[in-house]
Amino acid sequence: AQSVTQPDIHITVSEGASLELRCNYSYGATPYLFWYVQSPGQGLQLLLKYFSGDTLVQGIKGFEAEFKRSQSSFNLRKPSVHWSDAAEYFCAVDSSYKLIFGSGTRLLVRP
Amino acid sequence: SAVISQKPSRDICQRGTSLTIQCQVDSQVTMMFWYRQQPGQSLTLIATANQGSEATYESGFVIDKFPISRPNLTFSTLTVSNMSPEDSSIYLCSVSFGTSGNDEQFFGPGTRLTVL
Repeated sequence: AQSVTQPDIHITVSEGASLELRCNYSYGATPYLFWYVQSPGQGLQLLLKYFSGDTLVQGIKGFEAEFKRSQSSFNLRKPSVHWSDAAEYFCAVDSSYKLIFGSGTRLLVRP
Repeated sequence: SAVISQKPSRDICQRGTSLTIQCQVDSQVTMMFWYRQQPGQSLTLIATANQGSEATYESGFVIDKFPISRPNLTFSTLTVSNMSPEDSSIYLCSVSFGTSGNDEQFFGPGTRLTVL
């Protein structure tokens, strides 16, 4: 069965530091992968998605993610974190047009 | 993109009662989904709302507990029936314009339900 693992429950970084959030998936075929962000009291917003082509995907708000088939990973990165990036981040994989979400990583940003 | 509204935004209910949550989209969409996010947890798909026919439920979710309607291409409702404290969650509606796996799903703001 398809699944998504986000091994880090919480991550704390200083403002201006770089960020990497980990995501591993289990899927038989070429996956469609997504990263969503959920800010406090708000719904989910799509940061970026991968479904084919270039394995380095650019998204909104300065985020990028790299698909690595050999590692079954789709890690999210940002070179310089802003205080407004503090939120919950969810990795997801498509399974017959339905989304399977990871458990989420809560990002805390130190001033 | 799509602008999605949900009503109510939050509610506190007594056990044994039912609550109906509405999801309204500002444009016609192909797919509508209902997710549950339990406290501190990730999102779990409850069902796919099908226009004019019965919803398609995921394993662990049944129509008697979570009846869903979708009368047209812009509106759906989810009812949480005979509620218990374990039903306390955020319920989110999502939509997409296509049926392909790479079509973006747009999410509503959610309905925060507390059952006492």
